[in-house]
Amino acid sequence: DGGITQSPKYLFRKEGQNVTLSCEQNLNHDAMYWYRQDPGQGLRLIYYSQIVNDFQKGDIAEGYSVSREKKESFPLTVTSAQKNPTAFYLCASSIGAGDYNEQFFGPGTRLTVL
Amino acid sequence: GQNIDQPTEMTATEGAIVQINCTYQTSGFNGLFWYQQHAGEAPTFLSYNVLDGLEEKGRFSSFLSRSKGYSYLLLKELQMKDSASYLCAVSDSNYQLIWGAGTKLIIKP
Repeated sequence: DGGITQSPKYLFRKEGQNVTLSCEQNLNHDAMYWYRQDPGQGLRLIYYSQIVNDFQKGDIAEGYSVSREKKESFPLTVTSAQKNPTAFYLCASSIGAGDYNEQFFGPGTRLTVL
Repeated sequence: GQNIDQPTEMTATEGAIVQINCTYQTSGFNGLFWYQQHAGEAPTFLSYNVLDGLEEKGRFSSFLSRSKGYSYLLLKELQMKDSASYLCAVSDSNYQLIWGAGTKLIIKP
């Protein structure tokens, strides 16, 4: 079955540590996205990538970094520079960034920084 | 700036009908999506409107008026499993999705 996987589902880290969240898709989609969701708020775009080896900052990129070395993979690193990293992180993909761009989501990773 | 407004929370009764509104102001328009999100889970696609009018899909319908910057999601024959947040998202001139904060729908028996 095609889909998007994120791991782990729950992640705990100590303050000051970097942590990497994985996102893999086998839908053959070109575009991939990372969102952050806080309670009572909508989805806020962190980074997105429309093609391998290229990515763009979203609205809240500070304190985060990404890579897109393979079409299937778009890992997100939450660095110690992110001031409030505890949140629900969602990865998504779409066929492309143009025309009809329905986004398909992974199950999410809930990160708690202690 | 770009803005999408939805009510924060709505309550309805099992078996009834509820309408969730969404108004938007965006730089360009390339379609409007509705997603359903159960607590702690990923959003799932419900509907897409790019032309004015009503799109019906089973118990769910979605309406769009581009001239008014307005959409609604209509849920009929409400079931307890419909308790969730409903997210409105607009595809802007760059084909980026701009998301509303979501409407939490509470269904009472």
